[in-house]
Order: sequence, then C-alpha cells, then structure tokens
Amino acid sequence: GAGVSQSPSNKVTEKGKDVELRCDPISGHTALYWYRQSLGQGLEFLIYFQGNSAPDKSGLPSDRFSAERTGGSVSTLTIQRTQQEDSAVYLCASSPNRGLLTDTQYFGPGTRLTVL
Amino acid sequence: SQQGEEDPQALSIQEGENATMNCSYKTSINNLQWYRQNSGRGLVHLILIRSNEREKHSGRLRVTLDTSKKSSSLLITASRAADTASYFCATDPFNAGGTSYGKLTFGQGTILTVHP
Repeated sequence: GAGVSQSPSNKVTEKGKDVELRCDPISGHTALYWYRQSLGQGLEFLIYFQGNSAPDKSGLPSDRFSAERTGGSVSTLTIQRTQQEDSAVYLCASSPNRGLLTDTQYFGPGTRLTVL
Repeated sequence: SQQGEEDPQALSIQEGENATMNCSYKTSINNLQWYRQNSGRGLVHLILIRSNEREKHSGRLRVTLDTSKKSSSLLITASRAADTASYFCATDPFNAGGTSYGKLTFGQGTILTVHP
C-alpha cells in the first residue's frame, strides 16, 4: 500500500517568510509524528498527534512553529517568520499504535527546507 | 541531548564481511528501533525490539537488546555494497507516568560503507 507522503520535497524560502509543510500518513494510522533532522542537532522530535489532538508539543523549538491535524489524517507543520536556523529536513512518521503498545513508525521521504 | 549513543560513528568494510553497530541509552524504554537512511532522506524501518525481548532476526539482520546494560547491537551479516547507508537506533522511552507513545529519541548514527 501507499506509504507516508510529504510535500513539497524541497522548499527554498527567504528569511522572514512563512512556510507550510504537509504530511499524508498511512491510511488508518492513528499516531502521527514530526521530526527534524539538521546537521548540528541530528534527529529531533517535534510533535506527536493521536487522532487530531497533540498531547505532546514539547519538541517545537519556538512559538513560530505550529502544527495541526485534521480528520485524523493529513497534518500540516507551519513555520512562521522563518530563520536560517530552521533549515533542515523535516520528517513525518505515522504509526498504527494498536492497543496500549506503541508500534513501528513509518517515515516519509522528508521535506528539505532551506532558508536563505 | 540525544539519548542514544552509537558507535562506531563510521564503519568501512568489504563486501561479504559482517558489520556490527552498537547503541547505548540512558532511561527505561518500551522499545528500541533500528532505522536505515540513504542520502539524508527518508528513514527505512529495519527492526523493532521490545524491552522484554533479547534478540530478533530479520533476514541478514540480528538485533540484540540488553536492558541491564542499556545497550543494543545491530549485526548485518554477509554485507553487500547496497547496505551502504547511515544506521540509527531510536529509543521509545517511558514517560513520568510509566507509559510511552512513540516519542523516539535518536542516536547520531553510524555511517556504514561497504566496498565491493
């Protein structure tokens, strides 16, 4: 079946502009995660959704970052007033999280964001 | 800081040889997952091992977990040039409430190069 998809695959923007990154999880997966991968920080957790709610936003680096999920499916990560340090690959993952045990996370191809 | 610490940081071997990568972590975990990444893009899931498991196999991959030492190893047997990639361990830690929801913490990764 179809895996996790993300768009755009690459985004170049100017400092100060807003950007929206989209994630389409695997159909039926209730859990959705955003991570960021940058040269200096490695892979970092940003936010977790269970259904449409976000119980853990602890990884969002500043209030310029926000995310939403609608219909228990598509998620959008928005970065306002982008800064050069926001340049990174943004990865989305989804998981079925059946029952009480967390499960394998399946990752999308990522969006490479470059802030000039 | 990253919970997972991996070693070696880089490993260079010849085709047909075995490759062993190690991962150490600091807190109690629900599970540990190994991922592979090519060219800095999407992560491919390899194996998930739960905290009550000691060893798992998948094809040429063997993962061990020692919760008393808080360490795991990934063994790739009879390596191939196509195994060249970065390999990451990721831990799913328990939170203060004794549950987990898949907030993965990644190591810095091991860069594996397999020469034909």
